[in-house]
Amino acid sequence: NAGVTQTPKFRVLKTGQSMTLLCAQDMNHEYMYWYRQDPGMGLRLIHYSVGEGTTAKGEVPDGYNVSRLKKQNFLLGLESAAPSQTSVYFCASRRSAGGPEHNEQFFGPGTRLTVL
Amino acid sequence: AQRVTQPEKLLSVFKGAPVELKCNYSYSGSPELFWYVQYSRQRLQLLLRHISRESIKGFTADLNKGETSFHLKKPFAQEEDSAMYYCALWGTGRRALTFGSGTRLQVQP
Repeated sequence: NAGVTQTPKFRVLKTGQSMTLLCAQDMNHEYMYWYRQDPGMGLRLIHYSVGEGTTAKGEVPDGYNVSRLKKQNFLLGLESAAPSQTSVYFCASRRSAGGPEHNEQFFGPGTRLTVL
Repeated sequence: AQRVTQPEKLLSVFKGAPVELKCNYSYSGSPELFWYVQYSRQRLQLLLRHISRESIKGFTADLNKGETSFHLKKPFAQEEDSAMYYCALWGTGRRALTFGSGTRLQVQP
């Protein structure tokens, strides 16, 4: 199993450009997440999904959109990139709601995005 | 609202010294606490969770509900422990982990 994968690994954008980050998981997990990691701020939740076709806002959703058309994929879109969106983006997945054994989140390797 | 606080951005110790990474939380219900670790240029991975009461790589963490703390401890630090450590909380009814800001542990030879 590949676990959670993310593409691309690195990207440089100019202000105003758009792009989509792809997250894929092969563990048949219901829940998927997008976080951004910034120095001194830890990981902050952008959007998440509790199942195919459903999405919800996290702590810092502004400037981002997401889609979960297939269970195994969770896309993060930036319509008009801004320098404040320079960050490392992590995708994660979790098996499902349920007991404590379901609460571990598995992370992807990250995408380093720079917006000039 | 739930919150996780890691007061130290950087903790530097010498090899063989004891380590304690602090984590405090605020949550009105019964939380589940986790420690995640991120080694250089690697993805975050689960280190341990309080419900398991386990010791992983020599690390332990005890949930203290009275002090609302979940400090991570290791009696003798190793150079390979150098990494970023995140405390995270799972609150009942929530659908995602809430992370602290992280502590970078530097173990010097």
